Amino acid sequence: NAGVTQTPKFQVLKTGQSMTLQCAQDMNHNSMYWYRQDPGMGLRLIYYSASEGTTDKGEVPNGYNVSRLNKREFSLRLESAAPSQTSVYFCASSEVWDGAYGYTFGSGTRLTVV
Amino acid sequence: GENVEQHPSTLSVQEGDSAVIKCTYSDSASNYFPWYKQELGKRPQLIIDIRSNVGEKKDQRIAVTLNKTAKHFSLHITETQPEDSAVYFCAASHTGNQFYFGTGTSLTVIP
Repeated sequence: NAGVTQTPKFQVLKTGQSMTLQCAQDMNHNSMYWYRQDPGMGLRLIYYSASEGTTDKGEVPNGYNVSRLNKREFSLRLESAAPSQTSVYFCASSEVWDGAYGYTFGSGTRLTVV
Repeated sequence: GENVEQHPSTLSVQEGDSAVIKCTYSDSASNYFPWYKQELGKRPQLIIDIRSNVGEKKDQRIAVTLNKTAKHFSLHITETQPEDSAVYFCAASHTGNQFYFGTGTSLTVIP
């Protein structure tokens, strides 16, 4: 049972380049999330998907787009990367709609934008 | 929106001593409070959680207390061990889909 799988683990982009971070979960969870983690700022929600076919903005959505491709997969896209998007990105899923049982996080993607 | 503050940002304790990390929240509607442990270079992992209808919850050496009136909750680790060294995050939620995290506490247990 893999849990939540994120790819890639590391990425370096030049300013203005685009890329998509992939996330897949095999736990049949309805809800999926994208967070970014920056030093001294904790984890901040970028976008979430409460169920297949729905997506909603979180706390810091600017500069990102998401796609809930199916129940298993939730991708995060940076259309024109900026140095301010240098961060560690975590995908997560939860087993019930209200997330009350806590998240299962992926292993993270360390993104550097130069 | 919700605002979660976490203190201290760093904490060093001797092995065997207790460690306490405190969080406050601003939204009285928040009703779910999980704690996560993140080891260096690893993903955050849920270690304990508490709902607003409960004042205290224990799991072996870890306990969480909640004071709804004062809007604060705390993580208590007793008999600390070197493997407890990590960054700990608190969070608060009332919608379930919007978790607001504290800024983290880096705990070092000195052997």
